[in-house]
Amino acid sequence: NAGVTQTPKFQVLKTGQSMTLQCAQDMNHEYMSWYRQDPGMGLRLIHYSVGAGITDQGEVPNGYNVSRSTTEDFPLRLLSAAPSQTSVYFCASSGTGAGNTIYFGEGSWLTVV
Amino acid sequence: AQSVTQLDSHVSVSEGTPVLLRCNYSSSYSPSLFWYVQHPNKGLQLLLKYTSAATLVKGINGFEAEFKKSETSFHLTKPSAHMSDAAEYFCVVSDLDYKLSFGAGTTVTVRA
Repeated sequence: NAGVTQTPKFQVLKTGQSMTLQCAQDMNHEYMSWYRQDPGMGLRLIHYSVGAGITDQGEVPNGYNVSRSTTEDFPLRLLSAAPSQTSVYFCASSGTGAGNTIYFGEGSWLTVV
Repeated sequence: AQSVTQLDSHVSVSEGTPVLLRCNYSSSYSPSLFWYVQHPNKGLQLLLKYTSAATLVKGINGFEAEFKKSETSFHLTKPSAHMSDAAEYFCVVSDLDYKLSFGAGTTVTVRA
């Protein structure tokens, strides 16, 4: 049981480049989300999805794009990378019942130079 | 709207002594509450969760937390700290819309 799988684990980008962080889960979870983690700020929600074909913005969506074509996959796209997007990114998934355990990927460390 | 405040950014304890990590929350509904632990350069691991059942919740590795609605608190405790408990801990609240709100985190240092 792989759980939530994120790739790549580490990435260095130049300002203005685009890239996609991949996230896949094998638990048939309806709810998936992306967070970024910055020192002293906890994790902040970027985008989330409650099912295939449905996405919505979180707390810090600017500069990011998502889609949900299948239940399993929820990629996060950086359209034109900026140094302010240097962060650790976490993908998460859960069922949609109250109190469902949220499962996190191992994280993707992104540096924009 | 929901929010979480972790009252201590850093806690330092001696090995074998109790650990207390404080968390206050606000929520418009009956929330689900979680504690997660993150070791350096690792992902987040669930320690325990509260989902409107028993107010005293036991988790992994000897941790437990008590939900106090009147105080809007969900403090995490462990009777005896171990060196392996050195990590960052996050208090998390989830409302009806499944979105999570994270506290800023508490870094725990364990002294030998």
